[in-house]
Amino acid sequence: DIQMTQSPSSVSASVGDRVTITCRASQGISSWLAWYQQKPGKAPKLLIYAASSLQRGVPSRFSGSGSGTDFTLTISSLQPEDFATYYCQQANSFPLTFGGGTKVEIK
Amino acid sequence: QVQLQESGPGLVKPPETLSLTCTVSGDSISTYYLSWIRQPPGKGLEYIGYISYSGSINYNPSLKSRVTISVDTSKNQFSLKLSSVTAADTAVYYCARLYNYGYGDAFDIWGQGTMVTVSS
Repeated sequence: DIQMTQSPSSVSASVGDRVTITCRASQGISSWLAWYQQKPGKAPKLLIYAASSLQRGVPSRFSGSGSGTDFTLTISSLQPEDFATYYCQQANSFPLTFGGGTKVEIK
Repeated sequence: QVQLQESGPGLVKPPETLSLTCTVSGDSISTYYLSWIRQPPGKGLEYIGYISYSGSINYNPSLKSRVTISVDTSKNQFSLKLSSVTAADTAVYYCARLYNYGYGDAFDIWGQGTMVTVSS
């Protein structure tokens, strides 16, 4: 199985801050990576697919980059509705696997 | 607008079989790849498996010996069965569509999730 490691596990930030979350794969996955946002008691929501493609309807302040083993999710200007937990997921090979999550908290 | 809705018992006794159904509304599932994903309380996400409209199946090897996923295209439903459950199977279970964007797969539509507790 491909292991996905996210860092940090949590981050405290203020509205308007730039936030960057990192995801590392245990082996190369090309650009086969997705990012999700999950709020408490809700299902995850797809933000980014293919490492850098923005899902329809997702605000442009979200962006993704990377290929191979190292990836980042960036929120350019944190908004109140962005406080949530973020997960990466590799789609290079089965079983599909997720990172452990990064919780973005209010500072 | 496509919607997915999980249904099934919220409490299962060990070592019985957990059975859930996902009903898809707003579109035919005839071209879908439909997946099950679970999330133990306070923990991360675990892929369980998928089934395609044509019946091709993939299971997570960690659960493969206990999992069965099936599809009923006439009812626009697909189902999950997990046998010999233990407390470790307590989780929120999600159904989701696995969509191929041509250069990446991702779970683009999710059900709201259903909590299943395994306890005697």
